[in-house]
Amino acid sequence: QQQVKQSPQSLIVQKGGISIINCAYENTAFDYFPWYQQFPGKGPALLIAIRPDVSEKKEGRFTISFNKSAKQFSLHIMDSQPGDSATYFCAPSSTGGGNKLTFGTGTQLKVEL
Amino acid sequence: DGGITQSPKYLFRKEGQNVTLSCEQNLNHDAMYWYRQDPGQGLRLIYYSQIVNDFQKGDIAEGYSVSREKKESFPLTVTSAQKNPTAFYLCASSIEGGPQHFGDGTRLSIL
Repeated sequence: QQQVKQSPQSLIVQKGGISIINCAYENTAFDYFPWYQQFPGKGPALLIAIRPDVSEKKEGRFTISFNKSAKQFSLHIMDSQPGDSATYFCAPSSTGGGNKLTFGTGTQLKVEL
Repeated sequence: DGGITQSPKYLFRKEGQNVTLSCEQNLNHDAMYWYRQDPGQGLRLIYYSQIVNDFQKGDIAEGYSVSREKKESFPLTVTSAQKNPTAFYLCASSIEGGPQHFGDGTRLSIL
């Protein structure tokens, strides 16, 4: 059972453009919705996260939009930079379930000059 | 600096051999986790531990074993029963209900 579906699998964006990555989930018990950023040969690092009591959270160039009724959340990267080129994962979890993250399959983002 | 240290960075295993991957954290986190990452896939949970001397199986625990004798350490043993062990292994830790912080992984290959 695939609980988390992430799209697109890969994305190429021009420098200065907007990158949008989507995540759809099935488990209604999820109550923590993070996005992780991973560079080659490194572990994932938490980028931004949201709880279901708000519909949007912005931190610098990164924004999470959350739609509880549709069971979807997305990551928006404004003014995308070459340094943003990485793999991004959504990984929702239920804090009542041992805080276990359920990872999406990842999106490879490439920001071109 | 506080963080999670995984060692070694690269590890090679012969057929029929058990190998142990090290994970140490100095963040004073109660919970620790082991994930496996394969190319083109997300991370999959192998084992997790929410407190010393206790651990739970994740989604793909077969062929792996762990121990949690100390708060700061959570070693993972890849046994000979794991038929496809080649992967990137990641360790993480967190406070209860908090975000998980990851180490930089160990890449295991079969000779």
